[in-house]
Amino acid sequence: DSGVTQTPKHLITATGQRVTLRCSPRSGDLSVYWYQQSLDQGLQFLIQYYNGEERAKGNILERFSAQQFPDLHSELNLSSLELGDSALYFCASSAQGGAYEQYFGPGTRLTVT
Amino acid sequence: GENVEQHPSTLSVQEGDSAVIKCTYSDSASNYFPWYKQELGKGPQLIIDIRSNVGEKKDQRIAVTLNKTAKHFSLHITETQPEDSAVYFCAASKSGGGADGLTFGKGTHLIIQP
Repeated sequence: DSGVTQTPKHLITATGQRVTLRCSPRSGDLSVYWYQQSLDQGLQFLIQYYNGEERAKGNILERFSAQQFPDLHSELNLSSLELGDSALYFCASSAQGGAYEQYFGPGTRLTVT
Repeated sequence: GENVEQHPSTLSVQEGDSAVIKCTYSDSASNYFPWYKQELGKGPQLIIDIRSNVGEKKDQRIAVTLNKTAKHFSLHITETQPEDSAVYFCAASKSGGGADGLTFGKGTHLIIQP
């Protein structure tokens, strides 16, 4: 158990809908990262927040957004969902940003029908 | 941006033998190289990492080597056991300003044959 929690575990929704994925980092960690894992694209970095502020952006679509709240939990919002958005979404946390150990949560499996 | 290539995609070894997984990276500014193990239905688990100021690091049966000149790094698992069966990912990042996500390889499915 990494200490990172994610809810929900599974999510099934229809195309065009909007969903919110939630992540709580390990106690004391200030940095939260979101990753998408799919069969064709592999594990891809989406976005990083550090102590409430956006720190780095990866391959995140404009339909996706995220935020980190004062209690350091983070939410990833996915809107106008398409079939291709079906994937595993992981949250990871680290004590600081950059080249420090990142610990991954168990993931949320999103299925868009 | 950074590109990480990982080989082989599948590796089958006899229990007790050694396994080696290799990765290359493209961005010479990358300075942090972790390895993750992912079991079915779980999130990636950090098993070992190495920073660019170190050439080799060991933790019991697992070791990682880094060749900065050639821009490649490898994971070595000795005395493999059935519980080592999983998908292994290498990754790279650079820590300038404390802001960077990990760029992952495509993964290696390690199969330990009894």
